[in-house]
Amino acid sequence: KQEVTQIPAALSVPEGENLVLNCSFTDSAIYNLQWFRQDPGKGLTSLLLIQSSQREQTSGRLNASLDKSSGRSTLYIAASQPGDSATYLCAVSPESNYKLTFGKGTLLTVNP
Amino acid sequence: NAGVMQNPRHLVRRRGQEARLRCSPMKGHSHVYWYRQLPEEGLKFMVYLQKENIIDESGMPKERFSAEFPKEGPSILRIQQVVRGDSAAYFCASSLRWGQEGQFFGPGTRLTVL
Repeated sequence: KQEVTQIPAALSVPEGENLVLNCSFTDSAIYNLQWFRQDPGKGLTSLLLIQSSQREQTSGRLNASLDKSSGRSTLYIAASQPGDSATYLCAVSPESNYKLTFGKGTLLTVNP
Repeated sequence: NAGVMQNPRHLVRRRGQEARLRCSPMKGHSHVYWYRQLPEEGLKFMVYLQKENIIDESGMPKERFSAEFPKEGPSILRIQQVVRGDSAAYFCASSLRWGQEGQFFGPGTRLTVL
């Protein structure tokens, strides 16, 4: 059974700092991995999608890496801003089907 | 291009009533997924549907829950005789094809059972 763990559960940083969010998964037989952002009381916004054959994806100040064999992914946020404050979720899709398995998320607070 | 739409955004029901949650996928998407987020829990898969077909409902409770995605109209998640433990955020996602482009999520319906 796939399990996804996100560390830390919460993170508070000053504006401008670079930061890394971690995601680990127990079953390396994945099809892809997605990073999402969830604002309080809102839905999920897809940030980056990494296929199992890829090592990283970049979008603006965000960079996500994937090490499938070790079951790890990181989300790097450069020059953090208060608007980045949200919960960041990691989810994996297994090779055999479509069911996303989510971590519980990292609550990020960027202080002005 | 409108994203995934869900309504209502908030729903309050008393124990024993029925809850109907609606989801309209992104234009052109024919795959719909429902997930539930219980308080302090991660999102959990419930059901995967294509037009007029339930592909996988392995994550859905056996009793009181049902889902459909008719040929015309939105996908419906129906919860009969709601109990307090059903209080959660219910998210719908859609995709063009499964897997390759990822799943795109709606804003969710927050169900509160009194």
